[in-house]
Amino acid sequence: EAQVTQNPRYLITVTGKKLTVTCSQNMNHEYMSWYRQDPGLGLRQIYYSMNVEVTDKGDVPEGYKVSRKEKRNFPLILESPSPNQTSLYFCASSLAGWGTDTQYFGPGTRLTVL
Amino acid sequence: KQEVTQIPAALSVPEGENLVLNCSFTDSAIYNLQWFRQDPGKGLTSLLLIQSSQREQTSGRLNASLDKSSGRSTLYIAASQPGDSATYLCAVSPISGNTPLVFGKGTRLSVIA
Repeated sequence: EAQVTQNPRYLITVTGKKLTVTCSQNMNHEYMSWYRQDPGLGLRQIYYSMNVEVTDKGDVPEGYKVSRKEKRNFPLILESPSPNQTSLYFCASSLAGWGTDTQYFGPGTRLTVL
Repeated sequence: KQEVTQIPAALSVPEGENLVLNCSFTDSAIYNLQWFRQDPGKGLTSLLLIQSSQREQTSGRLNASLDKSSGRSTLYIAASQPGDSATYLCAVSPISGNTPLVFGKGTRLSVIA
């Protein structure tokens, strides 16, 4: 089954404790993105990647890192999480850019930073 | 800066009704517009993608229209069912390269049996 998977689905952590949210897709997609969704603000893109070793900032990249060492995986790294990073996070992938192609979203990761 | 607005924020209708969800955007220089569905606790599912050169797209009971010059799109759902209950989001792709999608805040739809 074609899908985007994220782990963990739920995470409660404390300020400053490094964490990684994994994202994997099995559709051989070139493009992958990370979004956060907050009440009243909607979905905003954090980082995106157009291919292996090619990443770039989205709208709200501060406090986040990403890497794309393999085509299928695109982990999101929070080196020193803060409470304002409490949010619902989505990974997405598409064969071509989101401007031209359907995006497939993962189920989301609900992160709480205390 | 592109802004996307969806009205109403919430809508409740009885089963079987035809309904229209609205999406407006401030900058008509878009590459395409997409409609997504979001179920509680789940990710987004793409419903329809309309290229800027198209006027509408249809999938089953769903029909999406695009009027780029007026900055508007509508999602028409025919013969609504309780299973249609979800939040519907529209997103526009700015015309300049890989600029991030701009999402509206969504319309939360409840279809009452």
